[in-house]
Amino acid sequence: GENVEQHPSTLSVQEGDSAVIKCTYSDSASNYFPWYKQELGKRPQLIIDIRSNVGEKKDQRIAVTLNKTAKHFSLHITETQPEDSAVYFCAPQAGNMLTFGGGTRLMVKP
Amino acid sequence: GAVVSQHPSWVICKSGTSVKIECRSLDFQATTMFWYRQFPKQSLMLMATSNEGSKATYEQGVEKDKFLINHASLTLSTLTVTSAHPEDSSFYICSAPTGNQPQHFGDGTRLSIL
Repeated sequence: GENVEQHPSTLSVQEGDSAVIKCTYSDSASNYFPWYKQELGKRPQLIIDIRSNVGEKKDQRIAVTLNKTAKHFSLHITETQPEDSAVYFCAPQAGNMLTFGGGTRLMVKP
Repeated sequence: GAVVSQHPSWVICKSGTSVKIECRSLDFQATTMFWYRQFPKQSLMLMATSNEGSKATYEQGVEKDKFLINHASLTLSTLTVTSAHPEDSSFYICSAPTGNQPQHFGDGTRLSIL
């Protein structure tokens, strides 16, 4: 099965700084790479995704980069704000099955 | 857009009780649904894959006789936690894939066993 590792497990940044979270996966059949934001007690919310034929995608302050050869993809958040504080998960998908990384707790200090 | 409705959102019950959680796809047909469990401060772990009209596929370490899954229609999958104990207390959440679109998650069920 898919082995997914996510780093770092916790990340504390000052408001306005950038945050980067990296995800490595093992299954070369993975072809869809989403990032989710989860607030306490709520369902994961898709914040950005990328498919295997694209190297980078940006949506305002959020971007995702994919290196399919090296089997890793990263989440980039610029100009962080306190409301970005949450737990973030990568979840590479092979077929129709997602495998979640261990999560990164992001804390943005005002 | 596609919506998955999950009920109940919160359950508190006594040890030994069986609890049923429902997951419905509201405006699309879901031949497959996934059931996850999330313990506090941990990731979402896939428990089983629910397949319409056939038996569910369980992940290693998940007891199929304890976590009963039924997917009798194209819009409804149920997870029944039988004879629940405090160690079964967790956040249970379902999701459904929709072709080439991102998966749709239910709102989750917080289960607390006293």
